[in-house]
Amino acid sequence: DQQVKQNSPSLSVQEGRISILNCDYTNSMFDYFLWYKKYPAEGPTFLISISSIKDKNEDGRFTVFLNKSAKHLSLHIVPSQPGDSAVYFCAAREYGNKLVFGAGTILRVKS
Amino acid sequence: DGGITQSPKYLFRKEGQNVTLSCEQNLNHDAMYWYRQDPGQGLRLIYYSQIVNDFQKGDIAEGYSVSREKKESFPLTVTSAQKNPTAFYLCASSNGGRAGDTQYFGPGTRLTVL
Repeated sequence: DQQVKQNSPSLSVQEGRISILNCDYTNSMFDYFLWYKKYPAEGPTFLISISSIKDKNEDGRFTVFLNKSAKHLSLHIVPSQPGDSAVYFCAAREYGNKLVFGAGTILRVKS
Repeated sequence: DGGITQSPKYLFRKEGQNVTLSCEQNLNHDAMYWYRQDPGQGLRLIYYSQIVNDFQKGDIAEGYSVSREKKESFPLTVTSAQKNPTAFYLCASSNGGRAGDTQYFGPGTRLTVL
């Protein structure tokens, strides 16, 4: 049973437009959420995170929104750039600092 | 230059052989983790260690073993008991469970069992 779901396997966006990546979770005990970016054959790179007590966190072009009642979070990238093309993983933290990952969304930014 | 190193980047082994993947960090992090990534799937936790000389099984520990004799090192052994060992293996480290803690990943090792 997947506790963290990224229902869109891929997303294609035009350069300069907004990219919105979505993530749903089922476990209400998750207290911290993270987004990672991953290129092929490399390790994931930490992008941005949000505590469960907040509903928004912003860092440059990246903003993460958390809707606890809907158990939903999203990552907004504005403006999107070709270098943003990668796989994006949503992760949620449970006890003992264990992370539960979604399956990932492939983002393609077209120039 | 702080970071996490994994070696080798690519590893080939014959079926039935044990193989050990290296993970070293110089970030002075207490906690270390091993994940496995398969195509079309997210990262799945194999083992993790919150402190030296202690480790716990993750979600898919069967067929794997680890040790944590030093703070900076967390090697993973893929044994012959692992039914489907071909995968991309990722090591991570973090300060260890405090609020706002973030895991940082190494570059990964691609293991192919022939």
